[in-house]
Amino acid sequence: NAGVTQTPKFQVLKTGQSMTLQCAQDMNHNSMYWYRQDPGMGLRLIYYSASEGTTDKGEVPNGYNVSRLNKREFSLRLESAAPSQTSVYFCASSQGYVGTSGNTIYFGEGSWLTVV
Amino acid sequence: AQSVTQPDIHITVSEGASLELRCNYSYGATPYLFWYVQSPGQGLQLLLKYFSGDTLVQGIKGFEAEFKRSQSSFNLRKPSVHWSDAAEYFCAVMNYGGSQGNLIFGKGTKLSVKP
Repeated sequence: NAGVTQTPKFQVLKTGQSMTLQCAQDMNHNSMYWYRQDPGMGLRLIYYSASEGTTDKGEVPNGYNVSRLNKREFSLRLESAAPSQTSVYFCASSQGYVGTSGNTIYFGEGSWLTVV
Repeated sequence: AQSVTQPDIHITVSEGASLELRCNYSYGATPYLFWYVQSPGQGLQLLLKYFSGDTLVQGIKGFEAEFKRSQSSFNLRKPSVHWSDAAEYFCAVMNYGGSQGNLIFGKGTKLSVKP
């Protein structure tokens, strides 16, 4: 059961470098999300895509861009990495609007990013 | 705006002992509530969720949680803890005022299990 798959799992970047985190889900879900997790902060939403062809900002979008390539894939791009973007990044997906009974968010295993 | 508080940063219990992890939320109407577990180096796994109906919710791995509106709480319980339950636990509430699918997470409670 693949579920939500993220790559790479680990990455070290130099300040100013760019990179893209890839995410794919095989559950035929409509909605996809990118979160970041920092110690003592819980998870915070960066961007989300309610459906194929749409993207919207979450709580902490600055410094990031996203692309919903198709229904399966949702990528997160750091154009010019900064040390403040050192974090664990989680991709997630859900069938539809979270809050409708039965719809919940399923998470990938995370990508550990260090910016030096 | 909604918020979630997990008062305990770190809890240690003995294997076989009972467990209760606290979660308090702030929201005027009936919230949608979740508990997730994160093992070291892993993603988050859904333990259980509450949308409506019975206030005692059963989840996976022998966990349950009880929604108490009067106390604005959604505490997670397990009658007998196993060593494999050592992990970090996150309570979350659906954020109605923000972006779609925006779960507001608590800061987590790390559970350690003594042999």
